[in-house]
Amino acid sequence: SQWGEENLQALSIQEGEDVTMNCSYKTYTTVVHWYRQDSGRGPALIILIRSNEREKRSGRLRATLDTSSQSSSLSITAAQCEDTAVYFCATDARGGRALIFGTGTTVSVSP
Amino acid sequence: NAGVIQTPRHKVTGKGQEATLWCEPISGHSAVFWYRQTIVQGLEFLTYFRNQAPIDDSGMPKERFSAQMPNQSHSTLKIQSTQPQDSAVYLCASSLDMGSNERLFFGHGTKLSVL
Repeated sequence: SQWGEENLQALSIQEGEDVTMNCSYKTYTTVVHWYRQDSGRGPALIILIRSNEREKRSGRLRATLDTSSQSSSLSITAAQCEDTAVYFCATDARGGRALIFGTGTTVSVSP
Repeated sequence: NAGVIQTPRHKVTGKGQEATLWCEPISGHSAVFWYRQTIVQGLEFLTYFRNQAPIDDSGMPKERFSAQMPNQSHSTLKIQSTQPQDSAVYLCASSLDMGSNERLFFGHGTKLSVL
C-alpha cells in the first residue's frame, strides 16, 4: 500500500535494557504518532513528534523523526516489565485524514 | 470520563447472520473512527465521521459493511451476511477534532467471531 508503514515484528529484552524500534513511512507526513497497545485494550497515544522536531522525549521514551529518510524511531530507556506491549507508529499519510497505522512491534520485557 | 465505550465486548455470529457493533465516543469529540484489527492485516482504517457526517469510507469493504452516526453520542458499524473472514477486533476511536496532531482515543474494541 502506498500508505503503509513498517515496523520490526518482535523484540525480546530483559528489564533494564534499552530498546529501539523503527518505522518507515512511504508518503509525506508532518507528524508521526506512536501508540502502545496492551493486551485486550485499544491503542493509546504515548508520544507524538512533528516534522519540525527531530527528537521528542517523554519520561523514558524518546522519539526521533527524519523527514529526509521518511523514518521515525521510538526508544525506551531502562525497560520495565510493564513496557511489554505492541507499539505502533501512525501517520496522517493522506493530509488531514485518518491515521494509518504500521504493522506494529511486539516488545516483551522479562524480569 | 469513561472514555470511548464499545459494546458488546465479544460477539459470536453464525455465517450469514448480521452483526451490529456500537460505539459511544467521548463527549465533545467531533471525529469518530472505525478500525479493524487482525493478526494478518494489522490495524486497518475503515471509515470516519466528523460532526456526524461521513467523511471517508475508503477502507470499508464495498459490500455488506455500513456505518452510521445518527447522533453525536453513538455510531454503529453493521455487517450483513457475516463471513468467517470478518472475524476481527473492531475498534472505535474518537478525537476532539480532525487534524494531523489530534490524539485518537480508542475503545477496548469488539471482538467479532464468525463461526
